Amino acid sequence: KAGVTQTPRYLIKTRGQQVTLSCSPISGHRSVSWYQQTPGQGLQFLFEYFSETQRNKGNFPGRFSGRQFSNSRSEMNVSTLELGDSALYLCASSGTTTNEKLFFGSGTQLSVL
Amino acid sequence: AQKVTQAQTEISVVEKEDVTLDCVYETRDTTYYLFWYKQPPSGELVFLIRRNSFDEQNEISGRYSWNFQKSTSSFNFTITASQVVDSAVYFCALRGYTGANSKLTFGKGITLSVRP
Repeated sequence: KAGVTQTPRYLIKTRGQQVTLSCSPISGHRSVSWYQQTPGQGLQFLFEYFSETQRNKGNFPGRFSGRQFSNSRSEMNVSTLELGDSALYLCASSGTTTNEKLFFGSGTQLSVL
Repeated sequence: AQKVTQAQTEISVVEKEDVTLDCVYETRDTTYYLFWYKQPPSGELVFLIRRNSFDEQNEISGRYSWNFQKSTSSFNFTITASQVVDSAVYFCALRGYTGANSKLTFGKGITLSVRP
């Protein structure tokens, strides 16, 4: 069974640009969540989608948005990039219930110059 | 709000030593789930264990063991006879049952270095 796939693996952007990251969950998984990891703030929850609906949202500005498609694949978008958005963005998938363990992808390393 | 505290930031041990990673959590939910994840240098978070709030039984899996104590809101992780391959960052995480608490809240992580 293929794991969680995130693309691209690395990304370099400049301030003011926008970026879209992609996540393909494990087959059969309907929940996808996104996390931002930085040395200073650690791992922070961005949002979670279940069956194309946002189920939960973290404390991030509106520049961070996401969506989930009918095949459970998800994308997150960051508009008007800032230097502080440089981070490892991790995607995780799980089945249906809250208590299920999350399976994580290898992440997208975003560098904003 | 939920909170997970991993007071230790970095631990360095010599191979074959035992090491305990501490985790203290805060939540108002009566139903919640606790997790430990390992993050090797490759970056991918690897699931180690899940515990629900109603199951205080300690668990042992090979060289790994976990001690869950609701009375002290702690969920500590012990590696027995550590090996170099155990070097990684270890995260404790908490997930509530409903609403905003159902998101996964991570501690800051503990960097474990096992020297040969």
